[in-house]
Parts: sequence; structure tokens; C-alpha cells
Amino acid sequence: GAGVSQSPRYKVAKRGQDVALRCDPISGHVSLFWYQQALGQGPEFLTYFQNEAQLDKSGLPSDRFFAERPEGSVSTLKIQRTQQEDSAVYLCASSLDLAGGHTDTQYFGPGTRLTVL
Amino acid sequence: GQQVMQIPQYQHVQEGEDFTTYCNSSTTLSNIQWYKQRPGGHPVFLIQLVKSGEVKKQKRLTFQFGEAKKNSSLHITATQTTDVGTYFCAGPEAAGNKLTFGGGTRVLVKP
Repeated sequence: GAGVSQSPRYKVAKRGQDVALRCDPISGHVSLFWYQQALGQGPEFLTYFQNEAQLDKSGLPSDRFFAERPEGSVSTLKIQRTQQEDSAVYLCASSLDLAGGHTDTQYFGPGTRLTVL
Repeated sequence: GQQVMQIPQYQHVQEGEDFTTYCNSSTTLSNIQWYKQRPGGHPVFLIQLVKSGEVKKQKRLTFQFGEAKKNSSLHITATQTTDVGTYFCAGPEAAGNKLTFGGGTRVLVKP
């Protein structure tokens, strides 16, 4: 595809509901990242995959947050028992993961705006 | 953990004027990246600086990486309305590729 896609673009959930956010990375990109962006803030790291392996989940705010990438392509971020403080834009980014010491360019998707009522 | 700070938080600029936004890291960075996010949009990669003291230009935008690789700046000349948006700097954590973003500088242009 032309870029990273995310669905849904907007999600409204009642407090306590479970939600699932989908990310389709750029074809062939090895690395996939999830970030959370609160209003007026910079993106904050949640978790990182290299292919299907979740190498870092240190940014997940609680055990209600779960991410998977079972076949090393599409990824899903699931939030259980949503709370109002979970309201934010959830951004997915992918990168090619070239060998070498430089950090690869991360290409961001349009994000999913989650509103928890 | 690593912290990245940006100043100013807001920049109101008259169209045609120049301005500079600054980025400071609590730790030495292997590289620094800059992103632009238009209102309602997502971060879009602008540039990556790797070498100490490196300066790169993109048309009216000049990016600089500090000698100690702990700070960076973005200078925009002859600001245009198309420059409206939030500019983020970001640096990788010591291990892995995850990025720590600054809080951004929100640029508003007065025509």
C-alpha cells in the first residue's frame, strides 16, 4: 500500500467497554510501533514489534493494554475496560529496519481517535 | 528515562518573518529526527541528523544538531502559511528504535 493505514479513524466507547484498533503497516516493513498522543502533547511510545516478536512493551500504561502482530504484518492494539484517561489518538508507525546503527525513518498512520465517555 | 524538551511551546509568527525552535535532550543522542504534524494530521518525517554539529537545509528550513549531540534547532526563514503546524523533535532510546518525542512547538502564522 501507499502508506500506513489505521482503522477505525474514530472510535467512541463507553467506559468499561473493550476496543480493538487495527494497523496495516507499509508492506515489507519489519518494525511496527504504537504511540499514544494526548491532546496538545507529543506522541508517547507504547510498544514495538520486530516482525511478529514484541520486543518492547514498556510504554503500555496498564495490563488493560495488549498488542499483537501474529503474522508479522497487521497489528492490533486492544484496550480492555476502557477508562476516560484512555481517550487519546493512537498512532501506528512502521519502519523498514535497515541494518546499521542509524534509526530508521518511522512512517506514521493517520491515527485512531479514541473517545471514552 | 530520557527526556526531550522543546521551546517555545507556541510560536506566533508574522508571515514573512523568521523564527527558530529549540530541542534539548537529557541524554546524548545517536541521532535526532524532526517531524511536522499539521492540524488534524499525523506526524510526517522531515529529516534526520546524525553527526555532531551537522547542518541540513530543506528549502526555507535549516536543521542543526549540537556539538554535544544533546540539542537541536529548526530555523524557518520567510515563514509562509503552509508552515502552520506542530514541529516535533524526537530521539531514539539507547536501546532499540523507539523514539522519545518532545512536546512540540505549535506554529501559528499571521497573514
